[in-house]
Amino acid sequence: QSALTQPPSASGSPGQSVTISCTGTSSDVGGYDYVSWYQQHPGKAPKVMIYEVTKRPSGVPDRFSGSKSGNTASLTVSGLQTEDEAEYYCSSYADNNNYVFGTGTKVTVL
Amino acid sequence: QLQLQESGPGLMRPSETLSLTCTVSGGSTYTSSFYWGWIRQPPGKGLEWIGNIYYTGTTYYNPSLKSRLTMSADTSKNQFSLKLTSVTAADTAVYYCVTQRGYHYVDWGQGTLVTVSS
Repeated sequence: QSALTQPPSASGSPGQSVTISCTGTSSDVGGYDYVSWYQQHPGKAPKVMIYEVTKRPSGVPDRFSGSKSGNTASLTVSGLQTEDEAEYYCSSYADNNNYVFGTGTKVTVL
Repeated sequence: QLQLQESGPGLMRPSETLSLTCTVSGGSTYTSSFYWGWIRQPPGKGLEWIGNIYYTGTTYYNPSLKSRLTMSADTSKNQFSLKLTSVTAADTAVYYCVTQRGYHYVDWGQGTLVTVSS
């Protein structure tokens, strides 16, 4: 199972929006609405920000939103704040009870 | 919210068997509410799903690790465990234990670094 493809980096100024893509195949992202997104600050464990493509856990700001089209899922962070600077990973359920993560995207707040 | 704590050897030699345990507090491992899982992250690299186990003992493993991997749970101790045989430098990583609710990971341990070196 190959890792999902994410851009290595993304950036934006405070208050702006940034969108991160996560590209897979019909065996994972495209085949199931089970994409989740994780935020990881340096030295910390990841934290789920979005699950099942668009759902936001309690406590996650509504500045974070998710979507999917075909084999590509996306995470959008609106109204960027300095604390949003982190590494972001997507994850998807895949055929035959497998799970695959994305390659990770470093978000920088300029 | 559950608290998870990994425990393991820290440093290992190639070809040894890695044994990690995750101790759960704030809830029981004997629950149908979610799966218990392991995820690892090599230093400076991305996340990799290792596998998960249900309270019934049903397991699902990453195909790339399946031949070397065994997961188990001890509900009497509120723990679940991982054994990975024949480790190499490629198994050097921070290992996280997690709860999987539905198809996403909610609770994470702090992670434990396992280094494989001769």
